[in-house]
Amino acid sequence: GAGVSQSPRYKVAKRGQDVALRCDPISGHVSLFWYQQALGQGPEFLTYFQNEAQLDKSGLPSDRFFAERPEGSVSTLKIQRTQQEDSAVYLCASSTRGTSVANEQFFGPGTRLTVL
Amino acid sequence: GDSVTQMEGPVTLSEEAFLTINCTYTATGYPSLFWYVQYPGEGLQLLLKATKADDKGSNKGFEATYRKETTSFHLEKGSVQVSDSAVYFCALKGGGNNRKLIWGLGTSLAVNP
Repeated sequence: GAGVSQSPRYKVAKRGQDVALRCDPISGHVSLFWYQQALGQGPEFLTYFQNEAQLDKSGLPSDRFFAERPEGSVSTLKIQRTQQEDSAVYLCASSTRGTSVANEQFFGPGTRLTVL
Repeated sequence: GDSVTQMEGPVTLSEEAFLTINCTYTATGYPSLFWYVQYPGEGLQLLLKATKADDKGSNKGFEATYRKETTSFHLEKGSVQVSDSAVYFCALKGGGNNRKLIWGLGTSLAVNP
């Protein structure tokens, strides 16, 4: 079955450009997460959706970062006026809602963003 | 806030050696604990999990026990294989409605034949 997919897999942007990163979660998964993983680091939480509602955006590092999930399925993470410090792998994960707090998050392959 | 501290790598072992990767955590309430693995060129995959104190998670010969008294969740395997070469991440999810994962820095493991 299809897992979480992300596109593009690699993105090179010039400083100051806007970028849009796409995530297609597993069909039927209610919850969707974005994480940022810098080189040699663990992932850092950015934001979380339940269906189309963005319930937690506490990890977004600045107002240049914006995420949406308008129909409760595909999500887009947009970064405006990219800076070199935005260079990282951006990971998307999805999970069922369920009643267990330990629901597994399934991860996509990530988008590696390099800002020159 | 919640945090995870993981032993630094890289770790290099010979095939069939015993593996321990230490993980300790700080959290309020009753977190769930996870080990994820990232094989070369692949995405993160859940390896095992434990949701309450004294639970033992196990998968593919790996084990980890949720120790509340020492706030630890160390990963162990009795006999590693070359195919276990990967980066291992310890993570926690806080209690209640908090659904985000808090991650350690990752430990790179290389197993030589």
